[in-house]
Amino acid sequence: DTAVSQTPKYLVTQMGNDKSIKCEQNLGHDTMYWYKQDSKKFLKIMFSYNNKELIINETVPNRFSPKSPDKAHLNLHINSLELGDSAVYFCASSLNDSPGTENIQYFGAGTRLSVL
Amino acid sequence: AQTVTQSQPEMSVQEAETVTLSCTYDTSESDYYLFWYKQPPSRQMILVIRQEAYKQQNATENRFSVNFQKAAKSFSLKISDSQLGDAAMYFCAYRSAMEYGNKLVFGAGTILRVKS
Repeated sequence: DTAVSQTPKYLVTQMGNDKSIKCEQNLGHDTMYWYKQDSKKFLKIMFSYNNKELIINETVPNRFSPKSPDKAHLNLHINSLELGDSAVYFCASSLNDSPGTENIQYFGAGTRLSVL
Repeated sequence: AQTVTQSQPEMSVQEAETVTLSCTYDTSESDYYLFWYKQPPSRQMILVIRQEAYKQQNATENRFSVNFQKAAKSFSLKISDSQLGDAAMYFCAYRSAMEYGNKLVFGAGTILRVKS
């Protein structure tokens, strides 16, 4: 059983469309994240949620809207897709967002988004 | 803001030999965690090893060990007895132990090639 699962694995779409990526974790974690890996493989955090509450929003355009219906799910909706949104998007989760503990992040397998 | 630098875009090692991947970081914080993640061609991000800044002893996990030099802000990864399955992109990452949010700050990655 996959601990952090993302769907779909691949997404090809046209500029201007709206798309969603779903993420679910079965680890019982309180905190979930979205990271973006660009074409040069650089990984950067986009959002983190702790128990459905937004904790980090790293100056991401408001075309990106994360939604956490419950603490096991964190979906990413992207409006008006642009060429520059093409990347691999990773979901991750950790026990909580407490700074003083190890809090290992477990990653999903990524979603490769290609905007044409 | 914290930054992580991996100065080796690519490294090669002969099977069964030892290789060291470099990582330096910049922070004004005294307490933090450091990680090495492996990303094979499957794209999955896999935690290799972690180190807490206040622990002087270098972490080891089987064939993987780190050389943590806090004063120099250096965190290198040594892979002993390299195997073909070690071929992957390796990312060094920093996480504050003083801020909520649990944000991982990644380096640009090092591609490791293993020759048979």
